[in-house]
Amino acid sequence: DIQMTQSPSTLSASVGDRVTITCRASQSISSWLAWYQQKPGKAPKLLIYKASSLESGVPSRFSGSGSGTEFTLTISSLQPDDFATYYCQQYNSYPFTFGPGTKVDIK
Amino acid sequence: QVQLQESGPGLVKPSQTLSLTCTVSGGSISSGGYYWSWIRQHPGKGLEWIGYIYYSGSTYYNPSLKSRVTISVDTSKNQFSLKLSSVTAADTAVYYCARAPTIEAAFDYWGQGTLVTVSS
Repeated sequence: DIQMTQSPSTLSASVGDRVTITCRASQSISSWLAWYQQKPGKAPKLLIYKASSLESGVPSRFSGSGSGTEFTLTISSLQPDDFATYYCQQYNSYPFTFGPGTKVDIK
Repeated sequence: QVQLQESGPGLVKPSQTLSLTCTVSGGSISSGGYYWSWIRQHPGKGLEWIGYIYYSGSTYYNPSLKSRVTISVDTSKNQFSLKLSSVTAADTAVYYCARAPTIEAAFDYWGQGTLVTVSS
């Protein structure tokens, strides 16, 4: 299985901050990576697919980059609605696997 | 707008079979082109992909669960289902159904999730 890691595990930030989350794969996954946002008690919501493509309806302050084994999710200016947990997921090969998550909380 | 809704018992006894159904609305499973998955999340933990099914009935399961998992589809009811046998407390989780637009794609629509607790 491809192992996904994320850093940091928790990130404390303020509204307006630029936030970057890193996701690493244990082997190359090309650009087959997605980012999700999850709030307590809710299902994950797709933000980014194919490493850098913004899902329809997702604010443009979210962006993704990377390929191979290292990827980043950037929130250009953190908004109150963005405090949540973020997961990366690889869909390059089976079984699909997720990162452990990065919780973004209020500083 | 596609919507997915999980249903099934919230409590299952150890060694029994967990059975859940996902009802899809706003789109037809039988129209093809989409892959329908089950994903679970242990309390306070990360996400684990269980497997998928295509409308034709073809499936792929996570090897870690393969011996206990069956995913089936009922196109007449626009539903797909999960059965997980011989459950233990380790199978206590929120179970989500989700859709991916191709065989290798991110999950663009999710159900709200349903908590299944394994306990006697």
